[in-house]
Amino acid sequence: EPEVTQTPSHQVTQMGQEVILRCVPISNHLYFYWYRQILGQKVEFLVSFYNNEISEKSEIFDDQFSVERPDGSNFTLKIRSTKLEDSAMYFCAVDLDSYEQYFGPGTRLTVT
Amino acid sequence: AQKITQTQPGMFVQEKEAVTLDCTYDTSDQSYGLFWYKQPSSGEMIFLIYQGSYDEQNATEGRYSLNFQKARKSANLVISASQLGDSAMYFCAMREGYAGGTSYGKLTFGQGTILTVHP
Repeated sequence: EPEVTQTPSHQVTQMGQEVILRCVPISNHLYFYWYRQILGQKVEFLVSFYNNEISEKSEIFDDQFSVERPDGSNFTLKIRSTKLEDSAMYFCAVDLDSYEQYFGPGTRLTVT
Repeated sequence: AQKITQTQPGMFVQEKEAVTLDCTYDTSDQSYGLFWYKQPSSGEMIFLIYQGSYDEQNATEGRYSLNFQKARKSANLVISASQLGDSAMYFCAMREGYAGGTSYGKLTFGQGTILTVHP
């Protein structure tokens, strides 16, 4: 059984629109992460979230991005005004009790 | 400077043969962890194997083993008895500051190596 699910699996949006990507953990996790992967490139860290606040963020995670846990279960990544270069796969990840960082199935975002 | 370097953009191997995927890393931390993930064409990220910086023995998980050479800062993945289903992108990653056990923190990834297994 997966540790996290992500919705939607694929989102198509127009440039300038807001998008919200969702991550739903199956069991209790303390740390959450968002990564993105532009097609054909490496996986890049965006932000980590612990105890309902951001613990670390990368240079990519600018004012256009925000994260929250609106209801204590879902973990969301919001992009306020999408740009063409935001087109990528976005992964949510959680730390398991062992050393493994488990990645969700991802949301493919296409900005047109 | 790149923290994780994977110098092989693509590798080919014959089915049932062994293959080594290279990974070198750069960190000034004494405690760190090294990871390998597999990404098939379907896109998911599948955890394969982990090595902590203080682990004295090389990690093994089934057909996967990690050739950890700390002095050379290398963490190569060895896949034995390759199967057609091993064809995928493979990423090496590092978590700094944590050696193992219950650990947390972001991962820094390399550029990846595309492995193709020929029948």
